Amino acid sequence: GAGVSQSPSNKVTEKGKDVELRCDPISGHTALYWYRQSLGQGLEFLIYFQGNSAPDKSGLPSDRFSAERTGGSVSTLTIQRTQQEDSAVYLCASSLVSGRGGAGVQYFGAGTRLSVL
Amino acid sequence: AQSVTQPDIHITVSEGASLELRCNYSYGATPYLFWYVQSPGQGLQLLLKYFSGDTLVQGIKGFEAEFKRSQSSFNLRKPSVHWSDAAEYFCAVGERSSASKIIFGSGTRLSIRP
Repeated sequence: GAGVSQSPSNKVTEKGKDVELRCDPISGHTALYWYRQSLGQGLEFLIYFQGNSAPDKSGLPSDRFSAERTGGSVSTLTIQRTQQEDSAVYLCASSLVSGRGGAGVQYFGAGTRLSVL
Repeated sequence: AQSVTQPDIHITVSEGASLELRCNYSYGATPYLFWYVQSPGQGLQLLLKYFSGDTLVQGIKGFEAEFKRSQSSFNLRKPSVHWSDAAEYFCAVGERSSASKIIFGSGTRLSIRP
């Protein structure tokens, strides 16, 4: 596709249930990021995938959160035993590594709005 | 570790007035610097970026930003704002490393007074 695609766009779940959020990055982008944005807040970094390197999981808030990236493309963010405080917009972004190495311009998806009742 | 500070949580300016949004970063070397805009209910869109070269960077929608190494700043400016500029603005910094990630500031909400 032309841009970063996230699905579903909205997800309502009950407390204690598991959810999976999907991100399709721009084709050929080697870097993929997940962020969480709570209402009226900034972007909270969750996890970063870059090529075949081990992912940077330093932003995951608890062991209920996990993510994988299959085949260097599609990524799934899984939240187990959801809590009400997990309610937020989850944003995915992808980028190329810049020509001189280092972070490139990120292209963002529209996000998944998660509501935990 | 790098960090980004946007000291202004919310700014209101009159339509047609000039705008400056502040961004300060903490990093040991010259970072990659970005400004993104998020309109209500939308994803983030890149306004401009600084990688190297001219420290005054031009972006889309009439925005510009200036990298000042001595002040560790990358402030965003626009000479005359339009009502459509009302949005959330995020400054971000990235390391010059292939294993880097980008860190975002907490954002500045811009409101436009008619």
